Amino acid sequence: GENVEQHPSTLSVQEGDSAVIKCTYSDSASNYFPWYKQELGKGPQLIIDIRSNVGEKKDQRIAVTLNKTAKHFSLHITETQPEDSAVYFCAAKKGNTPLVFGKGTRLSVIA
Amino acid sequence: EAGVAQSPRYKIIEKRQSVAFWCNPISGHATLYWYQQILGQGPKLLIQFQNNGVVDDSQLPKDRFSAERLKGVDSTLKIQPAKLEDSAVYLCASSLNPNQPQHFGDGTRLSIL
Repeated sequence: GENVEQHPSTLSVQEGDSAVIKCTYSDSASNYFPWYKQELGKGPQLIIDIRSNVGEKKDQRIAVTLNKTAKHFSLHITETQPEDSAVYFCAAKKGNTPLVFGKGTRLSVIA
Repeated sequence: EAGVAQSPRYKIIEKRQSVAFWCNPISGHATLYWYQQILGQGPKLLIQFQNNGVVDDSQLPKDRFSAERLKGVDSTLKIQPAKLEDSAVYLCASSLNPNQPQHFGDGTRLSIL
């Protein structure tokens, strides 16, 4: 089955700097890649997603890139703010199969 | 639009007791999911419903876990009897259909003593 690896497990950045989180997946047939943000005591919140027919997608300060050949995708957050501090999860799926999540990255934005 | 509602938010029980969680998905969402999230890990799917039918329960420990969605809207997840390793956050998610984005509730944090 699908396996998703996520790096780094923790990331600290200065406010205003950029943050990059990377994920690799094992199943080349996977075609949907969402990113979730989870704050303490809350459920995961979908922040951006990308399908395999697109190489990059942007939404304000957040962007996701997908490299199907290398089977990896990345989350880029620019101009980080303290409220970006949270745990971020990547996930992958193909067709109607279940979403498989990475283990998460704890992002700390230092003011 | 109201989000996914879950209750209770917290539950503490002793091992071998039973517990039930409730989920009300976003209105109109036909697909409902229950996930288990152990501390420090990503969510893991337990069961997926399409309307009131089970689509995938391959990772549900059926000797102790059960779930139902009788009228195709609300769902309950039950554990009986609970084990120490069941301590986790139980998340419910819903989507319009299996190919649309999933939206999560805030979960029920279960502690087993």
